[in-house]
Amino acid sequence: DTGVSQNPRHKITKRGQNVTFRCDPISEHNRLYWYRQTLGQGPEFLTYFQNEAQLEKSRLLSDRFSAERPKGSFSTLEIQRTEQGDSAMYLCASTLLRTGANTEAFFGQGTRLTVV
Amino acid sequence: AQSVTQLDSHVSVSEGTPVLLRCNYSSSYSPSLFWYVQHPNKGLQLLLKYTSAATLVKGINGFEAEFKKSETSFHLTKPSAHMSDAAEYFCVVSLTDSWGKFQFGAGTQVVVTP
Repeated sequence: DTGVSQNPRHKITKRGQNVTFRCDPISEHNRLYWYRQTLGQGPEFLTYFQNEAQLEKSRLLSDRFSAERPKGSFSTLEIQRTEQGDSAMYLCASTLLRTGANTEAFFGQGTRLTVV
Repeated sequence: AQSVTQLDSHVSVSEGTPVLLRCNYSSSYSPSLFWYVQHPNKGLQLLLKYTSAATLVKGINGFEAEFKKSETSFHLTKPSAHMSDAAEYFCVVSLTDSWGKFQFGAGTQVVVTP
């Protein structure tokens, strides 16, 4: 399968614990995005990378959240000291940015986080 | 700034009848517009996209959408609903420059009754 892959698919953690999610984008895609989706809402932008550079972070991304894309390939999203409000589906997407064109984003299946 | 408004949070249709999902956008630049569908426990799937070519865009599963710049709209239609169309639909806007962030609407839940 050459689509966007996210691991784990589900994560249950106790409040206060740290969690890390991984996203493997489509191999030739230079842009990678993280979104968060809560029940009944559309996905909300968190951050995105072009190659290994993190170009923008949303105000939703508190200092407990950190994302990396060390070699411009896979990315990780870490949440420290989790809170119940962090419970959501975390979505990763990738796209190939080309000058003068805008292609669609390809989404992974998401990681569902439940903080108890 | 860019934004997207889906005018209906829920739409209920009978199988075999037309479906209309409404979307209005706001963008300072020439936007690219997309419709995605999300079935329960499934990932987001692209239905169709507008990227400044033809204003009437055809997508998968019989869906189509028309870009109307004067009305800043990108409504999604299907002439005949099928039970398998029951899902959440998202209208998405992105800028056709080097920025390229995708902004989602709140979604429209479609229910199809027999």
